Parts: sequence; C-alpha cells; structure tokens
Amino acid sequence: DQQVKQNSPSLSVQEGRISILNCDYTNSMFDYFLWYKKYPAEGPTFLISISSIKDKNEDGRFTVFLNKSAKHLSLHIVPSQPGDSAVYFCAASEEGAQKLVFGQGTRLTINP
Amino acid sequence: GAGVSQSPSNKVTEKGKDVELRCDPISGHTALYWYRQSLGQGLEFLIYFQGNSAPDKSGLPSDRFSAERTGGSVSTLTIQRTQQEDSAVYLCASSRSAGRGQPQHFGDGTRLSIL
Repeated sequence: DQQVKQNSPSLSVQEGRISILNCDYTNSMFDYFLWYKKYPAEGPTFLISISSIKDKNEDGRFTVFLNKSAKHLSLHIVPSQPGDSAVYFCAASEEGAQKLVFGQGTRLTINP
Repeated sequence: GAGVSQSPSNKVTEKGKDVELRCDPISGHTALYWYRQSLGQGLEFLIYFQGNSAPDKSGLPSDRFSAERTGGSVSTLTIQRTQQEDSAVYLCASSRSAGRGQPQHFGDGTRLSIL
C-alpha cells in the first residue's frame, strides 16, 4: 500500500518558469513532510521540510505548501534553473517515528 | 570526509551468496538509517539506529537481512543467501539526533546486483 504518492513520474519546465511538484498521502498520522532532490548515482539531498502545524514554508526559490484536509503537498521552484533537473522525492513521517516514507519520485527536467 | 560514506559503491554477486554493505555516518550523528531503492521505486525504510537504544527493525523484509552498528558509529547491513529480488540501491543516512527537525543526510548508496 503506497502511503505517499507522486502521481507524475516526470515533468518538463522551461528555464525561468515555475516548477510545481505534487505529492499526496493517505496516512492521517503523518505530521512532518520533507522534499529531497536526487541526482543520478548520488544519494538524495534534503531540500525543505514542513510541519503539519504550518501550511507553507519558504526557503529561497523553494516553497512547500501543505493542505492537510486534502492530504496534499506541493513543492514550488521559482524561477526554475537547469541545475534543478533531478528526481524529486517527497517523504513523510508520523509523530514519534523516525523512519521516512517516500513517494516514487518525479523526474524534473528544466529546458533552456 | 564530511558526508555519509558507503562501501562498496557497486557489488555484483551470485544468487545464494552473502553480502555485507558498510556505512560510515557523519561524525557526531547519533541516528543512522538504512533504506533501499528498487528500480523505479521510492526509498523503502529498512532499519534505524539511535544511540544505544534497540534498533527499529520493522522495515527488514525477511530474516535474511540483518544490521548492526558498532560503537555507535559504523554500521553494516548483511544480506544472507541473496535472491534476485534483493537487487537494489541500498542507501544509508544519518542525522544529528532523532529529533523531527533533523534532516537525514544520505550517502551515495551501494548498487547491489544479484545474478
């Protein structure tokens, strides 16, 4: 049972435009959410996180939005840059648990 | 180095053999995690160590899988009698503590191929 779902396997965006990556979850016990970025042959790199007590967290070009009622979060990257081309994973954890539950990932390609 | 170090980076072995994968976490990080990523899938939690506490083994897929962490630092993941479905990238991560605000930092993984 896939508790964290990224329904878009890939996304292509023009350089300078906004990239929006989506993630849905089914487990209502999740209260902490993270986004990771992964280049080929490298481990995932932490990007940004959000606690369920917030609905938005911003760090430079990256903003994460959380809609608890819809069990949906999104990552906005603006403006998109060629170096943003990578696979993006969303992840979630329950209160009291340390393990992360990951989505399948979305491959983002930024076109010049 | 400053990051999480994993070895070997690649391992090819025959079905039925045992393998050992090593993880050297970031110095000072007390929490250590193992995940695996099968082809086209997200990361799947395997096991978690925090200090001297009993590890959370809830993600280990079978009793062929085991892990230990010696001296609160280096960890070894062992897979006995490997099967073809064990083929995956095995990723280790560490964090400063088990606190919720402590992101997990990943190594580059070991790509395991079972022939």
